[in-house]
Amino acid sequence: EPEVTQTPSHQVTQMGQEVILRCVPISNHLYFYWYRQILGQKVEFLVSFYNNEISEKSEIFDDQFSVERPDGSNFTLKIRSTKLEDSAMYFCASGGSLENEQYFGPGTRLTVT
Amino acid sequence: GENVGLHLPTLSVQEGDNSIINCAYSNSASDYFIWYKQESGKGPQFIIDIRSNMDKRQGQRVTVLLNKTVKHLSLQIAATQPGDSAVYFCAEIAGRRALTFGSGTRLQVQP
Repeated sequence: EPEVTQTPSHQVTQMGQEVILRCVPISNHLYFYWYRQILGQKVEFLVSFYNNEISEKSEIFDDQFSVERPDGSNFTLKIRSTKLEDSAMYFCASGGSLENEQYFGPGTRLTVT
Repeated sequence: GENVGLHLPTLSVQEGDNSIINCAYSNSASDYFIWYKQESGKGPQFIIDIRSNMDKRQGQRVTVLLNKTVKHLSLQIAATQPGDSAVYFCAEIAGRRALTFGSGTRLQVQP
């Protein structure tokens, strides 16, 4: 069964450093998402991406964040200058034409020290 | 796992019993309601969804009930198994595609 994959599974970085989290969505999906889950809190929406552009973003997704689909298979989330409060699990999801269809990857645990 | 420290309500059931997990939502404009299961160290896994114009939907061993009058959603799991132990989240979609997640319930199945 096709699944969303994410790398790395765990990323440790120092405050102020840039990180890139990588995702390979399910191959025939057209919609891509990033969510995060801070330890002890709910899963929160960050951004959705369709047709090579951001279609929706939350207030969390500020200028420090960017997304890219650099080729036909990868979808990346970049955090330009990480802060301690960026420490969280980051989940990528992808979906097809149905708006209620989102399949999540296993997540990347980001630890900012 | 990522839910450690999250002060989740916990439902503890015996293997073979039926489980009912509840969720209250606030947005009356939501189009879809979805239940996700999250096991330790994994991402949310889709279980079942329901459109806002329905009040019940059944899947394999699971049933979702939607009561729009009181903005309440429930997930019923029949013949609960140890493999059902996880955190269960309800989520809603209103107009756009962004999921808004609830705070979750931890289900513990006692063998």
